[in-house]
Amino acid sequence: QQQVKQSPQSLIVQKGGISIINCAYENTAFDYFPWYQQFPGKGPALLIAIRPDVSEKKEGRFTISFNKSAKQFSLHIMDSQPGDSATYFCAAISGARGSTLGRLYFGRGTQLTVWP
Amino acid sequence: KAGVTQTPRYLIKTRGQQVTLSCSPISGHRSVSWYQQTPGQGLQFLFEYFSETQRNKGNFPGRFSGRQFSNSRSEMNVSTLELGDSALYLCASSRRGSGGAYEQYFGPGTRLTVT
Repeated sequence: QQQVKQSPQSLIVQKGGISIINCAYENTAFDYFPWYQQFPGKGPALLIAIRPDVSEKKEGRFTISFNKSAKQFSLHIMDSQPGDSATYFCAAISGARGSTLGRLYFGRGTQLTVWP
Repeated sequence: KAGVTQTPRYLIKTRGQQVTLSCSPISGHRSVSWYQQTPGQGLQFLFEYFSETQRNKGNFPGRFSGRQFSNSRSEMNVSTLELGDSALYLCASSRRGSGGAYEQYFGPGTRLTVT
């Protein structure tokens, strides 16, 4: 059973456009929601993360929007660039503020292509 | 600061053999987690180690094992390899971020191919 559902599976956006990736979860024990970016041949790189008591977090061109009541969160990439072309994973974890990390539950990934 | 390093980067093994993968976390990070990434199943949690103790384990058979040393370096072992074990094995080390939660930083992975 997929704990975190991610859509779309693939996304094609024109340079300068907005890329939007959505995720949904059921487990209300999740208390930390990171997004990862992965380029071919590389490991996932932490991009941005949010806690459920915050509705929005922005870092540069990347914004997470969080809807706790709907149990949904999304990544917005403003002014998308060809260099943003990568696979993006949303994730969730419970007990992130405990003494150890615990396990991350990942979405299936979204392959983003930004064409010039 | 150097990132997470994993060795070897690529490995080809035959069915039935065993393999050991190594991970060196970012300096100062004490928690190490392992994940398996495949096109079919995505990213799946294997186990987490903290202070040389396994704290969490995913739903993988007993052929998958790991350990952590006193310097926080970790190894994972897969015995009696099967074709389905072909995957990218990722190691992540963690630290407490500014928001209070532990953040995981991944290495480049070890690409294991079982023939």
